[in-house]
Amino acid sequence: QKEVEQNSGPLSVPEGAIASLNCTYSDRGSQSFFWYRQYSGKSPELIMSIYSNGDKEDGRFTAQLNKASQYVSLLIRDSQPSDSATYLCAVNRHSGAGSYQLTFGKGTKLSVIP
Amino acid sequence: KAGVTQTPRYLIKTRGQQVTLSCSPISGHRSVSWYQQTPGQGLQFLFEYFSETQRNKGNFPGRFSGRQFSNSRSEMNVSTLELGDSALYLCASSLGPLNEQFFGPGTRLTVL
Repeated sequence: QKEVEQNSGPLSVPEGAIASLNCTYSDRGSQSFFWYRQYSGKSPELIMSIYSNGDKEDGRFTAQLNKASQYVSLLIRDSQPSDSATYLCAVNRHSGAGSYQLTFGKGTKLSVIP
Repeated sequence: KAGVTQTPRYLIKTRGQQVTLSCSPISGHRSVSWYQQTPGQGLQFLFEYFSETQRNKGNFPGRFSGRQFSNSRSEMNVSTLELGDSALYLCASSLGPLNEQFFGPGTRLTVL
C-alpha cells in the first residue's frame, strides 16, 4: 500500500462548482496534514494545514481530516479557472528517533472549465 | 519576510560531473528539507536538516549528500551525475519538524 494515495485525475469541474479532492494515508501515527497547490512549472505552494479531526476553513478552501478512517480531503468552493493546478496531499509521519518526514501523494490534477 | 531562495535556478551538466545546489531558508526557520520531483515519481524526500544535523534521509544513493550551516543555509551535492538525476530539486524550510513547510522556486537540473 502506498503511503499517501490520491486520485491522479484529471478532475474536471465547471466554474463556480465545488471541487472535492481526496487523499488517504497508511501510517496511523501521522501527525500533521497539508495541501499544496502546484502550477505547471512552479514549485508547490502551501494552501491548507490541518492537525486535528474535523473541518478547517480558509476562504474558499475547507480541509477535512478523519484520522480513524485515515482520510483527508480538500474542498474548493466557487471554483475558478485560476484554481486549475495539481493539488498535492502531504502527510507528516513519524520516521523514528524523534524525527518526522513529509510524504507526498502524486497529486490530483484539477481543471476548472469556464 | 523573504521566502525560501534557491540557486542556481537552472543547471545543465553532463554525466559523471558533480553539482552543488544551495538553499536559503526563511529567516528564523531552522529546518531545511530537500526533495526531488520528477514526472514519474512525484515529490520524493531526500533529506532533512535541523540545527546543522541531518535528522532524516530518504531512499537515495550515497551520491546524494547535503549539509547545513550555522546560519541554517543548506547545500546539497550530487556526485557522478546520471541521466536519471534530471529533475526539479526543491528545498523547503520550516520552524520545526511538524510545522508547515514552505518551498523555494527549485533548481531545474538537466543531465546530458
